[in-house]
Amino acid sequence: DAGVTQSPTHLIKTRGQQVTLRCSPKSGHDTVSWYQQALGQGPQFIFQYYEEEERQRGNFPDRFSGHQFPNYSSELNVNALLLGDSALYLCASCRGGNTEAFFGQGTRLTVV
Amino acid sequence: GEDVEQSLFLSVREGDSSVINCTYTDSSSTYLYWYKQEPGAGLQLLTYIFSNMDMKQDQRLTVLLNKKDKHLSLRIADTQTGDSAIYFCAEGKDFGNEKLTFGTGTRLTIIP
Repeated sequence: DAGVTQSPTHLIKTRGQQVTLRCSPKSGHDTVSWYQQALGQGPQFIFQYYEEEERQRGNFPDRFSGHQFPNYSSELNVNALLLGDSALYLCASCRGGNTEAFFGQGTRLTVV
Repeated sequence: GEDVEQSLFLSVREGDSSVINCTYTDSSSTYLYWYKQEPGAGLQLLTYIFSNMDMKQDQRLTVLLNKKDKHLSLRIADTQTGDSAIYFCAEGKDFGNEKLTFGTGTRLTIIP
């Protein structure tokens, strides 16, 4: 079992551009959550997807959007990138109801 | 609102016990977690405690919860060099399918 896999590992984008990050959940998991971890900070919840719909959302602007596919994989899209969007983006997956959330190794996004 | 606070740094001699502290503000928190993050890695769930418990022990790890003071601690017995990492306290309301609120993390350094 490969666990939660995220791609790419690292990414450099220019301010104003758009970016798409990808996450494949652990085998058997159907729920995917995304977190932003700025340098020196704890992860902050962006949103969670279940059954291809956004189920919960944290305090992030509409520039942050997502999608979940029928195979449970997920994408995080960020539009109009700002320097402050530079962070480690973590994906976590779990199986609906009372199961541990497993985290991927993250995508390091640098906005220049 | 939800807020989780931790001290930023802790240095401990190898073989001693480490105690990492955390305070939280949300009295409706149901589950409290400890995660470990090693350099370049995602988050690893170490242990968790349900809010109606005072203590939980798991091998070298002991979690103490003072619900009245909203204080959580993680004790690592016989600290080893492999325990060097950042430790995050997190709170949530619904195990697995939930938004987690993380603290800023405590960087544990082991002194040989």
